[in-house]
Amino acid sequence: EVQLVESGGGLVQPGGSLRLSCAASGFTFNSFWMHWVRQAPGKGLVWVSRINGDGTATNYADSVRGRFTISRDNAKNTLYLQMNSLRAEDTAVYYCARAFVGAAVGYDYWGQGTLVTVSS
Amino acid sequence: QSGLTQPPSASGTPGQRVAISCSGSSSNIGTNSVYWFQQLPGTAPKLLIYGNSQRPSGVPDRFSGSKSGTSASLAISGLRSEDEADYYCAAWDNSLSGVVFGGGTKLTVL
Repeated sequence: EVQLVESGGGLVQPGGSLRLSCAASGFTFNSFWMHWVRQAPGKGLVWVSRINGDGTATNYADSVRGRFTISRDNAKNTLYLQMNSLRAEDTAVYYCARAFVGAAVGYDYWGQGTLVTVSS
Repeated sequence: QSGLTQPPSASGTPGQRVAISCSGSSSNIGTNSVYWFQQLPGTAPKLLIYGNSQRPSGVPDRFSGSKSGTSASLAISGLRSEDEADYYCAAWDNSLSGVVFGGGTKLTVL
């Protein structure tokens, strides 16, 4: 059974840092692009970043480029999102999602989400 | 990051057919596949449609997708109370080198 389990969310002050993790199981992790998508409270879905199977290619939304870094450890089947210089507008539930092969936005599996709150 | 445009709300009665539109541009919908997601309250989104009109296994054929030019549409026929949810369209954007989502449409079953 495919499972994605996020962790690492919490309350952080503006300007602070946080690292999110997404533990994957039930599939060949290094064969899939993985994405982070966020959703502010009561708002819509917003794409954050993606990384390819071997970790050599990444893309970022303009709003996080230079502050967030996506990475993966295929030996641990884990996806990461390092978030620095956090702002109030980064407050959201962060989901990791798997994009099935050949589909850029074919998110067939999602994690349950982890809440990040940026506030003083 | 410019997004896709969806109506904020839609509604219908049980058994009816409703359609939700999604408008984009030549750099996203005009060139790439459209995806649709359903999000029930308090849960993670679920993939409904990929490749403009394909349904993943397990998605009822009451849900259908189409695309024409720079616009797409999700149709739900035989509306049921359990279809009450938020619906999002998405596509890859070549100019942004990223994914763009629509703002979401809240579907109410009256």
